[in-house]
Amino acid sequence: DGGITQSPKYLFRKEGQNVTLSCEQNLNHDAMYWYRQDPGQGLRLIYYSQIVNDFQKGDIAEGYSVSREKKESFPLTVTSAQKNPTAFYLCASKNRDKAFFGQGTRLTVV
Amino acid sequence: SQQGEEDPQALSIQEGENATMNCSYKTSINNLQWYRQNSGRGLVHLILIRSNEREKHSGRLRVTLDTSKKSSSLLITASRAADTASYFCATYHNDYKLSFGAGTTVTVRA
Repeated sequence: DGGITQSPKYLFRKEGQNVTLSCEQNLNHDAMYWYRQDPGQGLRLIYYSQIVNDFQKGDIAEGYSVSREKKESFPLTVTSAQKNPTAFYLCASKNRDKAFFGQGTRLTVV
Repeated sequence: SQQGEEDPQALSIQEGENATMNCSYKTSINNLQWYRQNSGRGLVHLILIRSNEREKHSGRLRVTLDTSKKSSSLLITASRAADTASYFCATYHNDYKLSFGAGTTVTVRA
C-alpha cells in the first residue's frame, strides 16, 4: 500500500532524554513536513523539507532537529532543549496539490 | 505564527442542516486547502482552491475564496453524523510552507 507511516504510535520519554520519531513515505513525494498538535489546538509547523538534504525551520523549531538523507524518510528528534514536548506529532508528505498525513505519534514526558 | 484562523471554534448542528466555517489568513498564497481530522488521527485532504479561483465544489462541499479579504469559507451541505470531526484550512505559500489554522470542531447531532 502506498502511504505515509509514523512510528511509534505512542512514545514515553523521561525528562532530559532525546527521542526520535520516525516518518517514512513511499509516495515519491519531494516535500515533507512535521507538525505539533496540542489538545484542542491546531497544527504548528516544526520543520519542513522540499528536497533531499535540505530543510527549513517552521514556526516552532526550537528544541527539535531533523534530517533528510533519503527522499522516503524525514525523522524528527525531540531534544532535551524542548521544554514542553508532550504533544501529538504529525508528519506529512505533499505532492503538487495536497498533503498526506501519517496517523501521528503521541509523545508523553514522564 | 499560524497563518489560518478558523471561525467559529466549534459548531453543533442537527443532521441534515448545513455547516459553514470560515478561515482568514495573513499573507499571499498559492492555494488554500481544507482538511478534516477525526479525533486522534491524521488529517485527510478535502478540497483545494487556487488563488485565481473564487468557488469550487466537490460532492457536498463548497469552498469559496476571497483573496482581497484574505478569507475562505467551507460549506458542508446536508450534514451527516459521520461529518463530525475537526476541519482545518491550510495555506500554501511561495516558500513551500504549508500552514494550518486552529480548526473548527463540528458536531452533527442525530
